[in-house]
Amino acid sequence: DTEVTQTPKHLVMGMTNKKSLKCEQHMGHRAMYWYKQKAKKPPELMFVYSYEKLSINESVPSRFSPECPNSSLLNLHLHALQPEDSALYLCASSSDRGYQPQHFGDGTRLSIL
Amino acid sequence: AQTVTQSQPEMSVQEAETVTLSCTYDTSENNYYLFWYKQPPSRQMILVIRQEAYKQQNATENRFSVNFQKAAKSFSLKISDSQLGDTAMYFCAFMKLSGNTPLVFGKGTRLSVIA
Repeated sequence: DTEVTQTPKHLVMGMTNKKSLKCEQHMGHRAMYWYKQKAKKPPELMFVYSYEKLSINESVPSRFSPECPNSSLLNLHLHALQPEDSALYLCASSSDRGYQPQHFGDGTRLSIL
Repeated sequence: AQTVTQSQPEMSVQEAETVTLSCTYDTSENNYYLFWYKQPPSRQMILVIRQEAYKQQNATENRFSVNFQKAAKSFSLKISDSQLGDTAMYFCAFMKLSGNTPLVFGKGTRLSVIA
């Protein structure tokens, strides 16, 4: 069982829709991450939140809007996506105390029609 | 900038045999962490093993061990007594010492364990 929970597991949406991906962890981690992963490729970093503040934005298009309402929750709001945005979206979290690896969720598989 | 190279896109191994996956990296940092993550078809990224660069002793986790050569910037993963459940994509990853820094991933090696 994963300690990082992502919902939904699958999402199909049209290019004009607005939807949100959700990520939750209860490990007390203060850093949370969004990655995008295309098939047979490594994950690509999108955003990093540290203590609920956005610390890294890897030049992600504005149609992706992250939000960190509290230390346990991370959202990714989607609007006017393109077919090339179809991918697996992975959330991860890590502790801020010294060296700690990132723990990943199962991901949301997103398909844009 | 750091880079991670995995030169073997695909590998296969017979069940119960041993296989080694290679990983090299480039960095100007002296202190950092290295990881191997496994991603089975179920798609969750699972941490397999970790290595702190300041430790000379190679990390070991049950059937998984690494050969860490800091001077050569090499970090290979050895899987002993391979099992069918080891079939997955394996990613080598680098992380700088400072907290909450992103992982830099290699392109991955697809490992198939054959019965």
